[in-house]
Amino acid sequence: DSGVTQTPKHLITATGQRVTLRCSPRSGDLSVYWYQQSLDQGLQFLIQYYNGEERAKGNILERFSAQQFPDLHSELNLSSLELGDSALYFCASSAEGIAGNTIYFGEGSWLTVV
Amino acid sequence: SQQGEEDPQALSIQEGENATMNCSYKTSINNLQWYRQNSGRGLVHLILIRSNEREKHSGRLRVTLDTSKKSSSLLITASRAADTASYFCATVGMDSSYKLIFGSGTRLLVRP
Repeated sequence: DSGVTQTPKHLITATGQRVTLRCSPRSGDLSVYWYQQSLDQGLQFLIQYYNGEERAKGNILERFSAQQFPDLHSELNLSSLELGDSALYFCASSAEGIAGNTIYFGEGSWLTVV
Repeated sequence: SQQGEEDPQALSIQEGENATMNCSYKTSINNLQWYRQNSGRGLVHLILIRSNEREKHSGRLRVTLDTSKKSSSLLITASRAADTASYFCATVGMDSSYKLIFGSGTRLLVRP
């Protein structure tokens, strides 16, 4: 158990809908990262927050947004969903930045768009 | 886009044999990390090697880093069926300490 909690574990929704994925980082970790894993794109970095502020952006679509709340949990919002958004979405956390620090991954949220 | 490429993409060995996976990357790095993923599960951190280190060990794992060749290798000795998983290398670039960029992974099958 990494200590990173993600909900829901599985989600099936229709195209055009909006979903919210939730992540609770490990106790004490200030950084939260979101990744998308799909068969064709592999593991793609989406976005990173540190203590409530956005620190780095990767290949995140404009239809997607994220935030980190004062209690350090984070949410990833996916809107106007398309079939291609079906993927495993991971949240990860680390104490600070990742230069020299281990990041710990949750078990992921499986999103299926039908 | 992915920073690293693992080689081979898939590897099948007999239990007890050693497994070697290679990772190549493109830009200068702060550190390189190896992760393991069982099918459909989360990623488990295995080992981190910094850019000024050449070799690290952890149990049956041995990681080497050659920054001049921009490559790393992960050796699993005396493999077990439970080692069957996908293995990914991931890099933290010198230009940013906040992005961990993953390679495409090696699927390892250890036959009992």
